[in-house]
Amino acid sequence: NAGVTQTPKFQVLKTGQSMTLQCAQDMNHEYMSWYRQDPGMGLRLIHYSVGAGITDQGEVPNGYNVSRSTTEDFPLRLLSAAPSQTSVYFCASNPGQGNTGELFFGEGSRLTVL
Amino acid sequence: EDQVTQSPEALRLQEGESSSLNCSYTVSGLRGLFWYRQDPGKGPEFLFTLYSAGEEKEKERLKATLTKKESFLHITAPKPEDSATYLCAVQAYGTSYGKLTFGQGTILTVHP
Repeated sequence: NAGVTQTPKFQVLKTGQSMTLQCAQDMNHEYMSWYRQDPGMGLRLIHYSVGAGITDQGEVPNGYNVSRSTTEDFPLRLLSAAPSQTSVYFCASNPGQGNTGELFFGEGSRLTVL
Repeated sequence: EDQVTQSPEALRLQEGESSSLNCSYTVSGLRGLFWYRQDPGKGPEFLFTLYSAGEEKEKERLKATLTKKESFLHITAPKPEDSATYLCAVQAYGTSYGKLTFGQGTILTVHP
């Protein structure tokens, strides 16, 4: 049982490049979300999903795109990378109804945009 | 808009020196308040969920308490392995389970 797996762990991009951060969970969790963590800012929600085929925007969605074609996978796409997107990105999942509401986090993906 | 403010930003303790971390929050209707621990280079790890004022939860040297406006994480006789960043987060009623509002965290360092 691997939990939440994120790839890659580290990535360097040039301004304007696009890329996809991968997230997969093997716990059959209904809810998945993406957060970014910046020094002094805490974790901020980018996008989230309440099930396959259903996504919605969080607090800081601009410049990011998501889709949820399966329960297991929730990739985050950077359309045209900007230096302001330099951050550590965390994917998280939650079982849904009837639980404590805790999030299960991946190990993070550290992105640098030059 | 939901808001979470944690204090202090950083706390240095000697081993065995008990203290508390504060989490002040404003939320339209509290479904749950969460405490997480985050080690350097790792994802946050769940510690506690508190649902209503007066509730307390304990785990080893940690005890979390909740009032209508704030939560405290009390650390009793800390050890160096308790060094980490502690994050507080809230979830409002009517929002998705994946949607939490986090504070900026308190960096705890425990010296031997």
